[in-house]
Amino acid sequence: AQKITQTQPGMFVQEKEAVTLDCTYDTSDPSYGLFWYKQPSSGEMIFLIYQGSYDQQNATEGRYSLNFQKARKSANLVISASQLGDSAMYFCAMREGQGGTSYGKLTFGQGTILTVHP
Amino acid sequence: GAVVSQHPSRVICKSGTSVKIECRSLDFQATTMFWYRQFPKQSLMLMATSNEGSKATYEQGVEKDKFLINHASLTLSTLTVTSAHPEDSSFYICSARDIMGQGGSPLHFGNGTRLTVT
Repeated sequence: AQKITQTQPGMFVQEKEAVTLDCTYDTSDPSYGLFWYKQPSSGEMIFLIYQGSYDQQNATEGRYSLNFQKARKSANLVISASQLGDSAMYFCAMREGQGGTSYGKLTFGQGTILTVHP
Repeated sequence: GAVVSQHPSRVICKSGTSVKIECRSLDFQATTMFWYRQFPKQSLMLMATSNEGSKATYEQGVEKDKFLINHASLTLSTLTVTSAHPEDSSFYICSARDIMGQGGSPLHFGNGTRLTVT
């Protein structure tokens, strides 16, 4: 079963508008972390935002916010005031568990290509 | 911020030769590094988990004799693609977990290596 699902292969948004990128996850582990990364065409992975499973409040980082709905197992990324430089591939990822030698291993969703129009 | 250096960024090799890719944490120690493979416009697929001083743990379906991983120090892991074939052409990207990192610490990614086998 897919652990991380991003159902939007591509999204388009007008510059200065807000956009929501969807992410649902599946885990039976009570302790997990959810991450969003941005990957421009150059290939680097840029960390955007993190939400822990025990965090009570939704995470925010500048123009990025995470709409965390634990019961629905969703962790959507909201980008406010889109900029042309936001055009990239966006990945949702999950880290399960608390420790062990493979702690830190991320499982990635399929990704969403965001295109910001001027 | 934490930096992971991955080298080379691009490599073209002939079929049958071996290619070594280095992943180095520049300002932190990483007991664990992860190697991912990514095909164009697709997700990152974990290949193996590299632990300093011990054998790497490979994901199901990844040939350990073909993708040799060595993690000889707390700052360096290498991936060697042996007897490369055109189907090994892909984007390889490493990530490292800071030994001092807390639960919300993101993985730090290298900039990736684009391998083309002719």
